[in-house]
Amino acid sequence: GAGVSQSPSNKVTEKGKDVELRCDPISGHTALYWYRQRLGQGLEFLIYFQGNSAPDKSGLPSDRFSAERTGESVSTLTIQRTQQEDSAVYLCASSLLRQLGNEQYFGPGTRLTVT
Amino acid sequence: TQLLEQSPQFLSIQEGENLTVYCNSSSVFSSLQWYRQEPGEGPVLLVTVVTGGEVKKLKRLTFQFGDARKDSSLHITAAQPGDTGLYLCAGIAYNFNKFYFGSGTKLNVKP
Repeated sequence: GAGVSQSPSNKVTEKGKDVELRCDPISGHTALYWYRQRLGQGLEFLIYFQGNSAPDKSGLPSDRFSAERTGESVSTLTIQRTQQEDSAVYLCASSLLRQLGNEQYFGPGTRLTVT
Repeated sequence: TQLLEQSPQFLSIQEGENLTVYCNSSSVFSSLQWYRQEPGEGPVLLVTVVTGGEVKKLKRLTFQFGDARKDSSLHITAAQPGDTGLYLCAGIAYNFNKFYFGSGTKLNVKP
């Protein structure tokens, strides 16, 4: 079956513009995560969705960042008034919720460049 | 501040050498995972360790979870150029939902 897909794969935007990044998780996966990865570094947790529960937004770096998820399907991450420090790869992952050994399946990421 | 610290950050070795990557934290996790990421792709799960002291082997890769469930190591025997990539550890919180990723170890294996 299809894996996690993300679009666009690359996005170049001018400072101050808004951007929307999209994630299509694996069908049936109840959990969805957004991460930010700066060049050559580890993953920074942004937000987590689980079914109809309130999302865990504790990783969002500022109020310019927001995300939505429609049911257990598509999610969009929106960054308003982009800044140069927002330049990074934004990764989405989905998983089934099990007690142990949850495996996150990652998309290829969206590379965002703010000029 | 990173909850999980990995060392070394960078490692460049010759094919055939052995290496160990460390993942350390002051926090206790329900389980710990190791991922490998290649350029332009998302991380891919290598292994999950669940029990303190557990050792798992995946071909030339050996993973160990610390007795106190705070740290882990990845040992690669006879490294090959195909092992090149970014290795990430991830600790899973006790509510099973939150993943805390390490800072990553970038491995380059030269032929």
